[in-house]
Amino acid sequence: ELKVEQNPLFLSMQEGKNYTIYCNYSTTSDRLYWYRQDPGKSLESLFVLLSNGAVKQEGRLMASLDTKARLSTLHITAAVHDLSATYFCAVDILRTGNQFYFGTGTSLTVIP
Amino acid sequence: DTEVTQTPKHLVMGMTNKKSLKCEQHMGHRAMYWYKQKAKKPPELMFVYSYEKLSINESVPSRFSPECPNSSLLNLHLHALQPEDSALYLCASSRRTSGSISTGEQYFGPGTRLTVT
Repeated sequence: ELKVEQNPLFLSMQEGKNYTIYCNYSTTSDRLYWYRQDPGKSLESLFVLLSNGAVKQEGRLMASLDTKARLSTLHITAAVHDLSATYFCAVDILRTGNQFYFGTGTSLTVIP
Repeated sequence: DTEVTQTPKHLVMGMTNKKSLKCEQHMGHRAMYWYKQKAKKPPELMFVYSYEKLSINESVPSRFSPECPNSSLLNLHLHALQPEDSALYLCASSRRTSGSISTGEQYFGPGTRLTVT
């Protein structure tokens, strides 16, 4: 059974600080996705990582993928309050179609 | 248009009621999904439709009945639900084109907040 684990599950950080969220998965995956979810809202796509070594950046967020280590990271630079949300990674495996396996989620709170 | 719409936004129903959730997309996507999400948990996949055919049913109880009338529309029919079925129900869609590689990215609708009393 495919497992997707994130850590930490909860993260409280001060504005201006840097931090990294980790996403580990248990089997070979072709692609990895990061989503953001605000309380009571839907999921917003942040990054799509399609190959080993892929790195994407948008504002204060940067995501990377190491398929050999089965690891993706979401790095937050100089956090601001607006980044407070829950972040999910998800993997899909082509042999099962486009079925997503979501990580456990990381609830991020940025404190002024 | 990169939008997935869902109606209603909120639904309160009794355990003997029958209701339906609706999802629509006009991006030409041929894969559509229903997820259930409890508070502070990741979305749980319920059903996948590919080219209007049900391709995945994740052992969902029969009180949930999906329907895909055409490539743009996805319904979820609800009957005799239990209070533990109260959750956020999310619809998503993605591109599925045979013979080509798509990113696989799923686009999510805003969800329907369901409360079963």
